[in-house]
Amino acid sequence: EDQVTQSPEALRLQEGESSSLNCSYTVSGLRGLFWYRQDPGKGPEFLFTLYSAGEEKEKERLKATLTKKESFLHITAPKPEDSATYLCAVQYGGATNKLIFGTGTLLAVQP
Amino acid sequence: DAGVTQSPTHLIKTRGQQVTLRCSPKSGHDTVSWYQQALGQGPQFIFQYYEEEERQRGNFPDRFSGHQFPNYSSELNVNALLLGDSALYLCASTPRGGLGYGYTFGSGTRLTVV
Repeated sequence: EDQVTQSPEALRLQEGESSSLNCSYTVSGLRGLFWYRQDPGKGPEFLFTLYSAGEEKEKERLKATLTKKESFLHITAPKPEDSATYLCAVQYGGATNKLIFGTGTLLAVQP
Repeated sequence: DAGVTQSPTHLIKTRGQQVTLRCSPKSGHDTVSWYQQALGQGPQFIFQYYEEEERQRGNFPDRFSGHQFPNYSSELNVNALLLGDSALYLCASTPRGGLGYGYTFGSGTRLTVV
């Protein structure tokens, strides 16, 4: 079954303590892997799109990487304002343009 | 530049009633998708509209229907509401049919069914 799995479900970090979030996927014909940030009661906010294994993208303290089976979102020296739920989604197949989401990682960064 | 706009922001309905949610896509986007997000879960794809037609549909019953207008705005209709329909309903837009593009999401409509 095609699916997207994120781990851990929740992560608590101290300010400045770097870590990584994982997104593993089992789909055929990946067209794109997307990372979103979601604050409570709000819609997901687009962060990155990765299209092929080996690709990396960076934005401020965030860096996303992609392999053939998983993606990592590395958070370097996080700040309390980085606290949010981080969602991973994939788009795959020839004519499928819907996104399949994981359940997210709830990140809490304490000062 | 306005992003994706959804209305209303919150809604309380009674079981068995019908509800209509509205969405205006981001400027320059012509494809609209609707997602349902239950508490603590990732968004689930409901359907997508492009060129005023439903192009793809997820695993949702026929109680869920939609429409896209010539100005690319969209509506999501849910009939015979169930308690389990309580969720955050998200509208997302993208250019040119959506394939390979990231989606811009609205802030959602929080629907509570009592």
